[in-house]
Order: sequence, then C-alpha cells, then structure tokens
Amino acid sequence: DAKTTQPPSMDCAEGRAANLPCNHSTISGNEYVYWYRQIHSQGPQYIIHGLKNNETNEMASLIITEDRKSSTLILPHATLRDTAVYYCIVRPLRAGGTSYGKLTFGQGTILTVHP
Amino acid sequence: NAGVTQTPKFQVLKTGQSMTLQCAQDMNHEYMSWYRQDPGMGLRLIHYSVGAGITDQGEVPNGYNVSRSTTEDFPLRLLSAAPSQTSVYFCASSRVGRGSYGYTFGSGTRLTVV
Repeated sequence: DAKTTQPPSMDCAEGRAANLPCNHSTISGNEYVYWYRQIHSQGPQYIIHGLKNNETNEMASLIITEDRKSSTLILPHATLRDTAVYYCIVRPLRAGGTSYGKLTFGQGTILTVHP
Repeated sequence: NAGVTQTPKFQVLKTGQSMTLQCAQDMNHEYMSWYRQDPGMGLRLIHYSVGAGITDQGEVPNGYNVSRSTTEDFPLRLLSAAPSQTSVYFCASSRVGRGSYGYTFGSGTRLTVV
C-alpha cells in the first residue's frame, strides 16, 4: 500500500473550517484514499473515501489533487467534538474489484479544536 | 442501532488464563477483522475473515485464535494470556464486493493481563 504523510498536529478554532492535508505521492491508479478518525478511547470512525474525484458527505469533504499525489480532508465547521486523531489511508481494491483487507494506520494528525 | 458490538468493554486476566473477546455485527457484512492498538504502535491486524468458515492471519496472529461459524459473529480467543497481550482490541467489519467500502469499528475491549 502507498505510504502517507500527515502533519503530527493541527489546531483549529471552533466554527472555522479544518483543512487536514495528506501526502501520498506514490499512490497507484487503483488505490483509494480513505479518511478515518479516532476520538479518544473510541474505535476508529470512517469519514470518507475517494479515488480521483472530490467527494462530499454529511461529515466532510475530500479534495484530491489532479495528480492524486495529495489530498485534503475538510471539516467545514469544526466543533469541539471534532477533536480527534485523523488518519489518511491509501488502499487498493483487490483483484476482481473487491474491497477488503488490512488497513494500515499511520500516526495520523492530532486535530485540536479550540473554543 | 446497527453496528459492531464488542463485549466485554473491560477485562483483567491473570497470566496463563484464557478468554474469548466477542464481536457481533448486524449489518450482514462478509468481512470481519480484529485489531489491537498499543501506544505508539498504531492499529495492527490480528486475524480476519471474509465469510463464514473462512479465516486468515494478519500481521500479529501469535497467541490468538479465531473462528467464523456465522456471518454475524467473529470471536477472538486468547489461549494463554501474557502481559504482552495487554492492549485495546477493536473489531471491524465491512461489505465485500465490487467497489470500495468503509469499515465499521466496535468501541473496543480494554484488556489488562497481570
């Protein structure tokens, strides 16, 4: 799986947008970008994923650069409850287009949302 | 609510004891897996299963056994607990099929072996 690089920590003011970057310069054509977060002492939570188009759901937006070598997770209006470790993971579909297998979690970005 | 349920939430074992960590999901997910999380080590895959009767090892399988007799349940057995197995254990499940899906994680079992 492609290696990802994230800043170790970021701060954000409550109500402002939080933009979390991820570098995945060795990503392959069949690899998806996933974002998960882990709030203290809880299980990881799936946020969003994408292949090459920008994606948006009720939690966040994912912006993937045209060359797919980096991406940004955007939390449009951060709240105190968004304080967590955010993980960017790159993982391929398996042969035949099926999806399962090991998730490799790096160290992630500790996002702290301040009042 | 639909999701992944892990029991117990907390457990203290003595060295050499055995126990089973339970994991159940009600989303009809084919794929289930067990991870352990230790400080500074991230999450590491222990075992996984892609359907009833099918299991395989992850990166840290030693000291753990699994079986998958139903789609819903994927228990993790510690045969003879050791202090090195003190950790937080997470179960995760996902659909399998064409496409790409996110994983649903349980809330974890915090295990201490003394």
